[in-house]
Amino acid sequence: DAGVTQSPTHLIKTRGQQVTLRCSPKSGHDTVSWYQQALGQGPQFIFQYYEEEERQRGNFPDRFSGHQFPNYSSELNVNALLLGDSALYLCASSFQGSGANVLTFGAGSRLTVL
Amino acid sequence: AQSVTQLDSQVPVFEEAPVELRCNYSSSVSVYLFWYVQYPNQGLQLLLKYLSGSTLVESINGFEAEFNKSQTSFHLRKPSVHISDTAEYFCAVSKSMTNAGKSTFGDGTTLTVKP
Repeated sequence: DAGVTQSPTHLIKTRGQQVTLRCSPKSGHDTVSWYQQALGQGPQFIFQYYEEEERQRGNFPDRFSGHQFPNYSSELNVNALLLGDSALYLCASSFQGSGANVLTFGAGSRLTVL
Repeated sequence: AQSVTQLDSQVPVFEEAPVELRCNYSSSVSVYLFWYVQYPNQGLQLLLKYLSGSTLVESINGFEAEFNKSQTSFHLRKPSVHISDTAEYFCAVSKSMTNAGKSTFGDGTTLTVKP
């Protein structure tokens, strides 16, 4: 039973570029949340997708956008990259019917912006 | 709004010694509480959770945490640590009675177990 898979694992971009990160949730999960983890900090909530809609959003600018597909997989897009966007981006999946926000995390995509 | 404070950024301890990682939270509503562990170059793994019922919760690898509502704390303890417990530990909180929305994480505690 595959857990949460993310791609790519590492990538390097330059300022101003755009990036797309991908996530496949754990089998049986229908909700995907994205988190940004800067070096030495805890994960910060970006947004959550359920039924192909953004359900909640954290304190991130509109440069951060996402999408959820009918198979529950998800993408995170970041436009006009800044140096401060360098971080580990974590995807977490959960099941809405479980009654609690128990998250299963992927290994993350490490983004470096030069 | 919710917030989580992990009181120790780094905790060094010798193998087989007891350890406590401290977590305090702030919330105006009822919450669920979680501890996650992150090994180097990996994502976070759920260690244990408090949803309701007994305030003392245990994990399969010997960790336990106690929910103290009056002190708004959820400290993590283990009576005897192993080298393999070396990792980053994160305390997290989310609103109860919902499985939607965000979890708020602390900044983590680095547990280093020395031989």
